[in-house]
Amino acid sequence: NAGVTQTPKFQVLKTGQSMTLQCAQDMNHEYMSWYRQDPGMGLRLIHYSVGAGITDQGEVPNGYNVSRSTTEDFPLRLLSAAPSQTSVYFCASSRPGDTQYFGPGTRLTVL
Amino acid sequence: EDQVTQSPEALRLQEGESSSLNCSYTVSGLRGLFWYRQDPGKGPEFLFTLYSAGEEKEKERLKATLTKKESFLHITAPKPEDSATYLCAVQEGDRDYGGATNKLIFGTGTLLAVQP
Repeated sequence: NAGVTQTPKFQVLKTGQSMTLQCAQDMNHEYMSWYRQDPGMGLRLIHYSVGAGITDQGEVPNGYNVSRSTTEDFPLRLLSAAPSQTSVYFCASSRPGDTQYFGPGTRLTVL
Repeated sequence: EDQVTQSPEALRLQEGESSSLNCSYTVSGLRGLFWYRQDPGKGPEFLFTLYSAGEEKEKERLKATLTKKESFLHITAPKPEDSATYLCAVQEGDRDYGGATNKLIFGTGTLLAVQP
């Protein structure tokens, strides 16, 4: 049982480039979410999904897209990276209303 | 506005010196309060969930308690390996999609350093 996995661990982008952060879980959890963590700000919810085919916005969704075609995967897309998106990104999964389990994170730097 | 505030921001203890971390919250309806531990460069690791005022949970040297306005994480006789950032999060009590919403509101954390 790998739990929640994220790739890549580190990424450096130039302003305007696009990329996809990958997240997968093998616990058959219906709920998945993406957070970003910035110094002094705490973890903030970007997007979340309550099941395959259903996604919704969190607190800070601008500049990010998500889709959920399978229960296992929940990729986060940056359409045109900006320096303000430099952050550490965490994916989490859970059963409805239950404890969320986090992945190891992706550290993204946008130059 | 729903809010979670953790204090202190940083705490330095000597090994064996017990203390408490605070998490105060304002939320329209509390469904659950979660404590996580986060080591540098890692993702948050689940510690406890508390659901109602008066509830307590323990794990090794850690004990979490909950009132209607705040939660405490008590650390008894800490060891250097307890050094980490401790995060508190609340889950709102609104119910949609046929069940509770899973949205978490996080505090900014307490950075704990335990010196030998």
